[in-house]
This record gives sequence, structure tokens and C-alpha cells, in this order.
Amino acid sequence: AQSVTQPDIHITVSEGASLELRCNYSYGATPYLFWYVQSPGQGLQLLLKYFSGDTLVQGIKGFEAEFKRSQSSFNLRKPSVHWSDAAEYFCAVSGGGADGLTFGKGTHLIIQP
Amino acid sequence: DAGVIQSPRHEVTEMGQEVTLRCKPISGHDYLFWYRQTMMRGLELLIYFNNNVPIDDSGMPEDRFSAKMPNASFSTLKIQPSEPRDSAVYFCASRKAGRAAEKLFFGSGTQLSVL
Repeated sequence: AQSVTQPDIHITVSEGASLELRCNYSYGATPYLFWYVQSPGQGLQLLLKYFSGDTLVQGIKGFEAEFKRSQSSFNLRKPSVHWSDAAEYFCAVSGGGADGLTFGKGTHLIIQP
Repeated sequence: DAGVIQSPRHEVTEMGQEVTLRCKPISGHDYLFWYRQTMMRGLELLIYFNNNVPIDDSGMPEDRFSAKMPNASFSTLKIQPSEPRDSAVYFCASRKAGRAAEKLFFGSGTQLSVL
């Protein structure tokens, strides 16, 4: 069965500093990978997704993520965070069939002024 | 488009009562998913529909949970009888047909508290 691990429950970053959120997945074949963001009291919004091809994918709000098959990772990065980036971030995997996504438990991002 | 619409936003009920959560997917979307979010378990897929037909309900925790989709624009998730451990945020999401990697659109969720 597919699974996603986000090892960091909380991350605190100073405004303007760089960010990297970790995600490791378990899946038997080539996965489809996603990062979603959830603001307080809101549903999830897609930041970016990886299907195939270039392993570095660009998303909205200045985020990017890199797929590394050898490490089974799909880490999310941003060169300079803004206070508005404070939210919960979820990594997710899909097998490409019609089924739903499997989500990690999320990383709560705190931005220090 | 108004997006995925869920109601109510908040529900507080007493143990043993019936609870019904509602969802209106985005028009034209073929798939509808119900997720439950808790601190302990994160986001769990409960059930999903394709063209109003339930495809996989293996995530439904118990027989107390049931879901229906009588038409393309409406779905319900019912808990009867409710228990305190059912307290969570319940999300509905929808997407178009095609690969599972198509973008999933989420509603704002229903915060359920069972006392």
C-alpha cells in the first residue's frame, strides 16, 4: 500500500529565510506526487504536482519541489518565505489510477518575524 | 464557479444523535471524495464516488457511517449514531475524470464535535 511520511510536525522559519519541507513516500511504481497547503479553517489548495519528466517542478506562490526517486523523496522548497506562508502543508501520493490521494500527516509551518 | 460547497461549517451534537454532512461538488466533476481529518490520523479517505456510484468505501470506519450521492450535484455523509471519537473535520473534494493526478478541489470542511 502506498504511504507518505512527513517527518517534521512543526517547522519554524524566519521571514525571508529559505524553507525546505521534507516528504518521503512509499509506492511500488512511479508515483504521482503532490503538495497541498491548508490555511486555518480552509480546505486544501494544490501547490504543485509531479507526474513525469523534469524532476524539478514549479508551483504557485513561489514554491518548487524536487522528485528524487533514489531517495523516495519529494521535498518542497521556497527561497524566501513570507508571513502569509504560515499554514499546514501536506504531501500526497497517488498511484495514477482512479483512486483518491494518500496524504501525509502534515507539517505545520510557523513564520517568525 | 463557487467551488466545492459543504454544509454545515460547524456541527455540535450529542453522542447518539444522527449527523448528516452535505456536499455540493463543482459542476462537471465526475469524482467526489469524502475525507476525515484528525490530529492523530491526519487526512483519511473515507469513500469516493465516480458518476454518483460508490467505488471504494474501504475507508469508512464502521457501519455507523454511510454516504450517498443521489445525483451529480449532491452528496451526504451520515453518522448514526454519532460518538465522541467521530469528532473531526470532514472534507469533501471533487475532480474531473481522467488520471487520479487531476487536480482535486476541496471544500472548506465541516467541523464536527460530538459531546
